Amino acid sequence: DIQMTQSPSTLSASIGDRVTITCRASQNINSWLAWYQQKPGKAPSLLIYKASNLGRGVPLRFSGSGSGTEFTLTISSLQCDDFATYYCQQYNSYSLFTFGPGTRVDIK
Amino acid sequence: EVQLVESGGGLVQPGGSLRLSCAASGFMFSKYWMSWVRQAPGKGLEWVANIKEDGSDKYYVDSVKGRFTISRDNAKNSLYLQMNSLRAEDAAVYYCASDTTGKLNNAFDMWGQGTMVTVSS
Repeated sequence: DIQMTQSPSTLSASIGDRVTITCRASQNINSWLAWYQQKPGKAPSLLIYKASNLGRGVPLRFSGSGSGTEFTLTISSLQCDDFATYYCQQYNSYSLFTFGPGTRVDIK
Repeated sequence: EVQLVESGGGLVQPGGSLRLSCAASGFMFSKYWMSWVRQAPGKGLEWVANIKEDGSDKYYVDSVKGRFTISRDNAKNSLYLQMNSLRAEDAAVYYCASDTTGKLNNAFDMWGQGTMVTVSS
C-alpha cells in the first residue's frame, strides 16, 4: 500500500509569509497528487490536482509542484483566509486512494 | 448547482448497521466514479471506498473490507454505503466526494456536507 507523509505537522506563520508544505509518497505516484484545504467544521475543498494544476476558483497564491514521490504546496503570501489544515492525497490507482496526515497552519 | 447531500448518519451500537445515502445533483452522476471519505473526531481524512460509473468495480480500505458495501443507483442519482458490524473506530463524519467534471483525473472537486456516525453503547 502507498503511504503518505506530510511535513511539518503544524506550521506557525504570519500574514504575508511564504509557506511551503511537503508531501512524500512511499512509492512512485507519478503526478497523481491533490491538495485540499479544510477549515474546522467544513468539508475539504480542492486546491491543486495532478500535482500542479490549480483548482477552479483557487487564488493564484497557491501553487503545487513535484512528481514521483516528493511534492510541495506553496502559499506565496499567506492571507487570513489561509489558516486551515492542508491534506495531500494520492490517487495513483482506483483501488486505493490515500490521504496524508495533514498540516495545520496557524497564526504565529 | 452541483451538489452532494449525505444522510443516514446517527447513533448505533457496536455491532450494529447503518446505511448512508448521498444524493447528487447538478452533474452527470452516472458518468463518474464516486467515493466515501471519513474523518474521525479531531483526526485526518481517510478514504473509505469508491465505485465505478456503472457499479462494476468497487474498492475499499482494508479496515472496512467485508463489513461495508458501496453501491449506487444511477437512475436515482444516489450513492450508498451499507455499514455492518460497526466498531467504535468507525465513528466519524462520512463524506461523499467526486470529480464531477471528468477533467481532474479523479481529484475530488465536490464534497458533501458530511453525515455523522456515532458508534456507542
